[in-house]
Amino acid sequence: DVKVTQSSRYLVKRTGEKVFLECVQDMDHENMFWYRQDPGLGLRLIYFSYDVKMKEKGDIPEGYSVSREKKERFSLILESASTNQTSMYLCASSLATTAYGYTFGSGTRLTVV
Amino acid sequence: SQKIEQNSEALNIQEGKTATLTCNYTNYSPAYLQWYRQDPGRGPVFLLLIRENEKEKRKERLKVTFDTTLKQSLFHITASQPADSATYLCALDNNQGGKLIFGQGTELSVKP
Repeated sequence: DVKVTQSSRYLVKRTGEKVFLECVQDMDHENMFWYRQDPGLGLRLIYFSYDVKMKEKGDIPEGYSVSREKKERFSLILESASTNQTSMYLCASSLATTAYGYTFGSGTRLTVV
Repeated sequence: SQKIEQNSEALNIQEGKTATLTCNYTNYSPAYLQWYRQDPGRGPVFLLLIRENEKEKRKERLKVTFDTTLKQSLFHITASQPADSATYLCALDNNQGGKLIFGQGTELSVKP
């Protein structure tokens, strides 16, 4: 079974803190993705990576950065957390082509106070 | 502009009936269209993929159709059960190297 593991299910952080969300996959997938999901807005792509040390901006990258030093790990960084970054964050991985589905993690519910 | 649209209103059906969910898209030319199931507070789970040259795909009680002329996919669950209650998301690629664009999802509720 492919597994995508997100380090925390729930997280509460203060405004201005630097926040790290970690994601690890165990199936040697090339692609990894970070989405946020908000009611009424659906899943929105923040960043994705198709190889180690490679990254591309998604639709809403402002206020975020990412790191992929190893193939299995993709980290999302909130440089200075703000209340409008309160959301459900979902990590996903896939093979190099969309001929196969994504495997998602269970999500991290982040609250910024 | 580019859009993916799913029924925003929840779909309520009786157990045993067939549920049909719709996904329409505008100004995309997808090579694939995918369907996912999402339970509250969890990540989406991949269900089915259909290619642009396929009209229909089946998996157990699930059936997906893909009409590239109408720019529409239909997702059917036959003999529905209360355990099928969830939000169902459609997603398509846009020939942009592995990225999927997701619809907002339709919530399905199956009553016993």
